Amino acid sequence: DAKTTQPPSMDCAEGRAANLPCNHSTISGNEYVYWYRQIHSQGPQYIIHGLKNNETNEMASLIITEDRKSSTLILPHATLRDTAVYYCIVINAGGFKTIFGAGTRLFVKA
Amino acid sequence: NAGVMQNPRHLVRRRGQEARLRCSPMKGHSHVYWYRQLPEEGLKFMVYLQKENIIDESGMPKERFSAEFPKEGPSILRIQQVVRGDSAAYFCASSPGRALSSYEQYFGPGTRLTVT
Repeated sequence: DAKTTQPPSMDCAEGRAANLPCNHSTISGNEYVYWYRQIHSQGPQYIIHGLKNNETNEMASLIITEDRKSSTLILPHATLRDTAVYYCIVINAGGFKTIFGAGTRLFVKA
Repeated sequence: NAGVMQNPRHLVRRRGQEARLRCSPMKGHSHVYWYRQLPEEGLKFMVYLQKENIIDESGMPKERFSAEFPKEGPSILRIQQVVRGDSAAYFCASSPGRALSSYEQYFGPGTRLTVT
């Protein structure tokens, strides 16, 4: 599975959009990009995933570049409860092993 | 639809005792995963099971640790002769695994094991 690179931490003002980048330059054609988050001490929470098209759900939007070497998770209106560690993970189709890296610690400030 | 359930939420064991952690997947999910998270560290994959089968246990320590997911009942992670280094949060996740693009995993609240 391709490795991912994320900034260790980011700040965001409450009510503003939080844009979390992820680099996955070695991604291959059948690998999906998944995003999870872990709010302090809780179990990780699935957010969204995509292959090459942009995706949106009730939680977030996922923007994947045309060459698929990077992606951005967008929380359109961050709240204090969005403070968490966000993990970007690449998994190949038919794969299952989810390797969590260090992720990005997002701090949403009032 | 109830989420993934884990029990107990907190477990205290003395060194040398056995720890049994239980995980009930979401309804309709037949794939179960176990992860371990040491304090201030990331999640580490341990094992992946389908009903009655261990698919990948590459993250499991070779000794003292075992996992099962029987035809009926919850998945069990068993740690024999616990040591202080086993103190961690153990998370279980489940997935439907029906389609190639549906490998999202849904996590339980975790079991916090403390070995004294």
